[in-house]
Amino acid sequence: DQQVKQNSPSLSVQEGRISILNCDYTNSMFDYFLWYKKYPAEGPTFLISISSIKDKNEDGRFTVFLNKSAKHLSLHIVPSQPGDSAVYFCAAGTSGTYKYIFGTGTRLKVLA
Amino acid sequence: GAVVSQHPSWVICKSGTSVKIECRSLDFQATTMFWYRQFPKQSLMLMATSNEGSKATYEQGVEKDKFLINHASLTLSTLTVTSAHPEDSSFYICSANGARTGTTDTQYFGPGTRLTVL
Repeated sequence: DQQVKQNSPSLSVQEGRISILNCDYTNSMFDYFLWYKKYPAEGPTFLISISSIKDKNEDGRFTVFLNKSAKHLSLHIVPSQPGDSAVYFCAAGTSGTYKYIFGTGTRLKVLA
Repeated sequence: GAVVSQHPSWVICKSGTSVKIECRSLDFQATTMFWYRQFPKQSLMLMATSNEGSKATYEQGVEKDKFLINHASLTLSTLTVTSAHPEDSSFYICSANGARTGTTDTQYFGPGTRLTVL
């Protein structure tokens, strides 16, 4: 039972344009969400998080949107840069438990 | 801040031997550390949660006698793969969080350890 899903395994975007990565979850108990970026053979790097009391969190070029009723979150990267090319994982959990379920990842390729 | 290291970064061992992987939080005290494994082109699968000074909590389907976890201090957790077999070959990643990382709800990951069992 995949509680966190990233339905797009890959995404290609032109440099300078917006990248939108999507994530859906099924467990209504989840109230804290994170996005990580991962290069091959390296550990994930934390990008941005959002708690369920918010519907948007912004940090530089990265913005995460949360739609609790739809159990959906998305990561927007604007403008996209070639260095953003990596696999992006969303993770969901219940605050205080420190345990997160990861999605399967979306491979983003930003074309120069 | 919030740097997590792992050692070794890669290891090759013979079938039947045991391998120890270390995970350290370098600039903060990690109240909780986590161990994940990742198969090629798949997600990170949580194996176990370890709290300093107590026994690890293993996820369903993870053999606790095969994957021994010790969290002896607030900056060090170790994962020992005992009697390793080729099917244990994987990328093992640890993560940690703690009050000094700024938020207790964010996990910071180590760079991972590639284990290959021949």
